[in-house]
Amino acid sequence: KNEVEQSPQNLTAQEGEFITINCSYSVGISALHWLQQHPGGGIVSLFMLSSGKKKHGRLIATINIQEKHSSLHITASHPRDSAVYICAALGGTSYGKLTFGQGTILTVHP
Amino acid sequence: DTAVSQTPKYLVTQMGNDKSIKCEQNLGHDTMYWYKQDSKKFLKIMFSYNNKELIINETVPNRFSPKSPDKAHLNLHINSLELGDSAVYFCASSPPTGTGNTIYFGEGSWLTVV
Repeated sequence: KNEVEQSPQNLTAQEGEFITINCSYSVGISALHWLQQHPGGGIVSLFMLSSGKKKHGRLIATINIQEKHSSLHITASHPRDSAVYICAALGGTSYGKLTFGQGTILTVHP
Repeated sequence: DTAVSQTPKYLVTQMGNDKSIKCEQNLGHDTMYWYKQDSKKFLKIMFSYNNKELIINETVPNRFSPKSPDKAHLNLHINSLELGDSAVYFCASSPPTGTGNTIYFGEGSWLTVV
């Protein structure tokens, strides 16, 4: 079993729908990243959070440290949101060691 | 200016060859990384350097040798390439853990070993 588990692995939505991607982890962490990877491969960090909730535009990320669970929400989804979303747990002791989930492939249809 | 740049972006080479991938960051970060993304798109850390010093070496075959001439550069040299080395290799950099700032990835280097 992977130390960082995401669900679902594949997600298809219609434009405008509210989307939730979940991430559970079993390792001790100092923070958790949500990453976005578009076709063509570039990876961008959307959020880094260690507690509570962060919001950026239509994206919201939450984390519950006690339950070792994080969610990424996309409101009013758009086809340009189609990408792979990856959660990555940042280890508490090593310099920036990230342990990755397997990714969620999101496709938003017009 | 690109924050983290890697070269080459694409590399096709034969088994047994030796190749290098270069990475440079202009963000002034102390920590740099190499990650490998396999055919199933799963990312895994290979190496981490902090201020030119090796911090993390994740049981990577010793055919892979990172070199950090200064804290802005972290190159990856691969000897005796094997078919299984085909993957996308991402360089990244970050400020010190705990500063609240994020990680920056390069665009990736697509390595195909034939």
